[in-house]
Amino acid sequence: AQRVTQPEKLLSVFKGAPVELKCNYSYSGSPELFWYVQYSRQRLQLLLRHISRESIKGFTADLNKGETSFHLKKPFAQEEDSAMYYCALNAGANNLFFGTGTRLTVIP
Amino acid sequence: KAGVTQTPRYLIKTRGQQVTLSCSPISGHRSVSWYQQTPGQGLQFLFEYFSETQRNKGNFPGRFSGRQFSNSRSEMNVSTLELGDSALYLCASSGEPAGRNNEQFFGPGTRLTVL
Repeated sequence: AQRVTQPEKLLSVFKGAPVELKCNYSYSGSPELFWYVQYSRQRLQLLLRHISRESIKGFTADLNKGETSFHLKKPFAQEEDSAMYYCALNAGANNLFFGTGTRLTVIP
Repeated sequence: KAGVTQTPRYLIKTRGQQVTLSCSPISGHRSVSWYQQTPGQGLQFLFEYFSETQRNKGNFPGRFSGRQFSNSRSEMNVSTLELGDSALYLCASSGEPAGRNNEQFFGPGTRLTVL
């Protein structure tokens, strides 16, 4: 069965510090992984997907199949990065399996 | 393009009643997925429809059902409501039929409270 684990419910970092949000997955097939973000009073929205291998808002995430991880990283956190972050696995046609989320707070 | 819309935004029902929630996807999107979000269980997949056919179903009891119309609008129904059904129900649409590596666009949700 598929599983997505985000071990940190809360994460606080100072502005300008590096940030890493952890995500581990368990899936028998070829994984399709995403990071979704929800800013205060906004809708859940896609931040990035592993297939794109791009940097969005300074964030990157690399799929490590050996460690079954898809950690989200940013070298210098900004106050506007404060949000709820969800790691998600596509378990079928438009069937997202979400982790429990990590609330990131960037301290000015 | 207008985003995904959901109606109503808020609902209060009592145990035993039934409820119908509506979702209008982004114009041109034919896939609609539904999710339940609760503090205890987080975001859980309910079902997905594409071209009026249910392609995927999550692990929810049969009291939860849905349908999709020819204009891609979707409804979900919950019968015989229980207190535990209180949740935020999110709808998401996608423009890709294959459902692989697709971005899903989420609506604002319907907050259901069961008393």
